[in-house]
Amino acid sequence: DSGVTQTPKHLITATGQRVTLRCSPRSGDLSVYWYQQSLDQGLQFLIQYYNGEERAKGNILERFSAQQFPDLHSELNLSSLELGDSALYFCASSPDLGTSGTENTGELFFGEGSRLTVL
Amino acid sequence: DQQVKQNSPSLSVQEGRISILNCDYTNSMFDYFLWYKKYPAEGPTFLISISSIKDKNEDGRFTVFLNKSAKHLSLHIVPSQPGDSAVYFCAASSYHGGATNKLIFGTGTLLAVQP
Repeated sequence: DSGVTQTPKHLITATGQRVTLRCSPRSGDLSVYWYQQSLDQGLQFLIQYYNGEERAKGNILERFSAQQFPDLHSELNLSSLELGDSALYFCASSPDLGTSGTENTGELFFGEGSRLTVL
Repeated sequence: DQQVKQNSPSLSVQEGRISILNCDYTNSMFDYFLWYKKYPAEGPTFLISISSIKDKNEDGRFTVFLNKSAKHLSLHIVPSQPGDSAVYFCAASSYHGGATNKLIFGTGTLLAVQP
């Protein structure tokens, strides 16, 4: 158990709809990262939030948006869904890299993912 | 532009033998390299990492080698066990004292260890 919680685990919806995926990071972690894994593909970085603010952005579509709340949980909103959006969406968290004495090993802690199916 | 590449989609080895998984990268600014293991219906789990200032890191049965001049790293698993059967992802980050530890992943290699 990584300590990162994602809900829902499975979601089936129709094209044109909107869904929200939720992530609770490990206790104490300030950074949240979202990744997309399509069929037979690697994990594609979407976006990172650090302590409520956007910190890094990857190949995230304009139809997708994310935010991190004061309690540090994060939500990924996917709208105007298309068949190609069907994928596994992973959330990951990492410690505060600025903490004195914290060795940065580069490790991210991943949740079990949310499987989105668009029909 | 794929910055991290795993050119072997699959690998099959016999139990007890060595498994060698390979990864190439193009960005010389990467400062950490990691290997993750993933079982179906689960999230990736961290296996081992190496800093760009080192050329080898060992943890039990797992050893990662880094060749910076060739921009190549490899994961050695000795001895291989059936429970090692999973998809292995190579990943890299370019932290450099910044604020993001985002990882760039390869496409993965499916390792099958035959009993």
